[in-house]
Amino acid sequence: SQQGEEDPQALSIQEGENATMNCSYKTSINNLQWYRQNSGRGLVHLILIRSNEREKHSGRLRVTLDTSKKSSSLLITASRAADTASYFCATGTFTGGGNKLTFGTGTQLKVEL
Amino acid sequence: DAGITQSPRHKVTETGTPVTLRCHQTENHRYMYWYRQDPGHGLRLIHYSYGVKDTDKGEVSDGYSVSRSKTEDFLLTLESATSSQTSVYFCASRGGEGEKLFFGSGTQLSVL
Repeated sequence: SQQGEEDPQALSIQEGENATMNCSYKTSINNLQWYRQNSGRGLVHLILIRSNEREKHSGRLRVTLDTSKKSSSLLITASRAADTASYFCATGTFTGGGNKLTFGTGTQLKVEL
Repeated sequence: DAGITQSPRHKVTETGTPVTLRCHQTENHRYMYWYRQDPGHGLRLIHYSYGVKDTDKGEVSDGYSVSRSKTEDFLLTLESATSSQTSVYFCASRGGEGEKLFFGSGTQLSVL
C-alpha cells in the first residue's frame, strides 16, 4: 500500500509561475524526501526534511512538513521549462534495515513556455 | 552522483523463463534497493539489502529473489517471469548514515 499520496496528479503551469505539490501520508515518519524524475530516467533526490523540522529551503525549492496533519508540500518558485518532470514524495521510517523509504504515486508537472 | 549502473537497460522475455537484472554501484554504499515502477502505483519496494548477504523483503517481493555476494553488486531474479512483472525496475543505493537514495537509470522489462 502507498504511504504517500501526492496531489494533484498532474499540474500544468506557465513558465515563471510557482508550482505547489502536496503529499499526505498515513503513519509516523522519521523524514520525508522529495525526488524528481525526468521522462525515461531514474529518480534524483531534491530535498529531505526531518520529522522535527517544519520548513526547509534549497534554491528555488521550499518544503514544509506538518506532522500533525501528516502532510508535506513542495513549492517550486519561478518555474522553468526544464522543471517539467514527475515529482515524488517518499516517507522514511527507521527499521532494522535502516531508513526505509516508501514512495507516493507522483505529480506530473508540465511547465509551458 | 553515485555511480549506479543497471543492466540490461531493456529486456523482452517470455512467460515462465527466469530473468536476472543486475545493479552495480561504485560508491561502496552499504544499502541497496530494488523498486518497480508501474503507472498509478509509483515506486514499490521489492527487496533491499543492508550488507553483503543481508537482504530483506519489501512490499511486493512475491516471485522475486535477490542476492548480494559483493558490496557493489545486487542481483534481482524473477524466478519464473509472468506478464504481471512487466514493469520498469530501478535499483538504488544509500551510503552510511545518509538517508537519500541514488538511483540507476532503470531496466524496462517486458514479459510476453
